[in-house]
Amino acid sequence: KQEVTQIPAALSVPEGENLVLNCSFTDSAIYNLQWFRQDPGKGLTSLLLIQSSQREQTSGRLNASLDKSSGRSTLYIAASQPGDSATYLCAMRDANAGKSTFGDGTTLTVKP
Amino acid sequence: DAGVIQSPRHEVTEMGQEVTLRCKPISGHDYLFWYRQTMMRGLELLIYFNNNVPIDDSGMPEDRFSAKMPNASFSTLKIQPSEPRDSAVYFCASSSMWRVYEQYFGPGTRLTVT
Repeated sequence: KQEVTQIPAALSVPEGENLVLNCSFTDSAIYNLQWFRQDPGKGLTSLLLIQSSQREQTSGRLNASLDKSSGRSTLYIAASQPGDSATYLCAMRDANAGKSTFGDGTTLTVKP
Repeated sequence: DAGVIQSPRHEVTEMGQEVTLRCKPISGHDYLFWYRQTMMRGLELLIYFNNNVPIDDSGMPEDRFSAKMPNASFSTLKIQPSEPRDSAVYFCASSSMWRVYEQYFGPGTRLTVT
């Protein structure tokens, strides 16, 4: 059974700092990995998706990496802004492209 | 595209009442997922469909919960009878092979059972 862990559970940084969010998983037989953002009281917004055969994806100030051998993914946020404050979740889609397993998320606060 | 549409956005009901949540996936998507999110348990997958067929309902908590997908553009999640512990935000999501199975979430239905 896939288990997904996100550490830390909460993170507070000053504006402008570069930061890394971590996601670890137990089963490397995945179809893809997806990073989401969730604002309080809102739904999940997809940020980046990495296919199993890929190593990283970039979108603006965001860069996500995937290392299946170590069971880890990271989300790098460059030059953080107060608007980046949200909860970030990672999700692993199983090898059959069926169900996804979500981590509990990292709640990020960027202070002005 | 309007994205995944869920209704109602908020539902308050009394214990023992039947609750029906509705979802319209993105047109052309062949996978539909129902999730439940609570502070205690995080985001849990309840059930998912592929081409309108239920594939895995192992996350459905008990027989009080049922889900249907009568066609490619509509799904319901029903709770009968509802209990206070069912209070949560229920999300619907859809994905498509043609979009490399990227999941798109609806805005959610916040259910409160008193």
